[in-house]
Amino acid sequence: EAGVAQSPRYKIIEKRQSVAFWCNPISGHATLYWYQQILGQGPKLLIQFQNNGVVDDSQLPKDRFSAERLKGVDSTLKIQPAKLEDSAVYLCASSPFVAGSNEKLFFGSGTQLSVL
Amino acid sequence: GENVEQHPSTLSVQEGDSAVIKCTYSDSASNYFPWYKQELGKRPQLIIDIRSNVGEKKDQRIAVTLNKTAKHFSLHITETQPEDSAVYFCAANSGSARQLTFGSGTQLTVLP
Repeated sequence: EAGVAQSPRYKIIEKRQSVAFWCNPISGHATLYWYQQILGQGPKLLIQFQNNGVVDDSQLPKDRFSAERLKGVDSTLKIQPAKLEDSAVYLCASSPFVAGSNEKLFFGSGTQLSVL
Repeated sequence: GENVEQHPSTLSVQEGDSAVIKCTYSDSASNYFPWYKQELGKRPQLIIDIRSNVGEKKDQRIAVTLNKTAKHFSLHITETQPEDSAVYFCAANSGSARQLTFGSGTQLTVLP
């Protein structure tokens, strides 16, 4: 079974620039999550989708972060403009269970973002 | 919102010894508690999970115990091996969307 695919693997940008991350979940997984993992901390949920609908985006800084999952499969997360504190690993995860379960999350390898 | 605290932040054990990592949570409505293992530079992987209707679950050398009254749960690894060295995260679900809140992680080092 193919895993959760993410790209790019690494990204270095200057503050105030924009950046986009891409995620392709495991085939058939309806629920998709974006997490932010700052060095030395546990993952923090940014946004959760079920198919192409947003289930929870309460922790997404909407003034600079946006995410979409237009066809209910792959997803993009964008930051515009980036701040120094956005330096982190951005993890995408998917689950075979419906939203509201949050069980059996399968994570991608993440995109490591460095904002200079 | 949910607050998950994890202890210790670092743990070193000799190969063959047992390791215990403890987490507490704040939301009494939480009913799902997974543990993830993250090796250096790799993705977090689910190693075991427990629901609130059971007190203990085992899978070979790992086990998780849950005390709902005290709102804490623990990961137990027996007969530790060098390949157990990693960061371990606990989590608990909460909120209307049952989102997972993760602990801050425990760096486990198994010394040969």
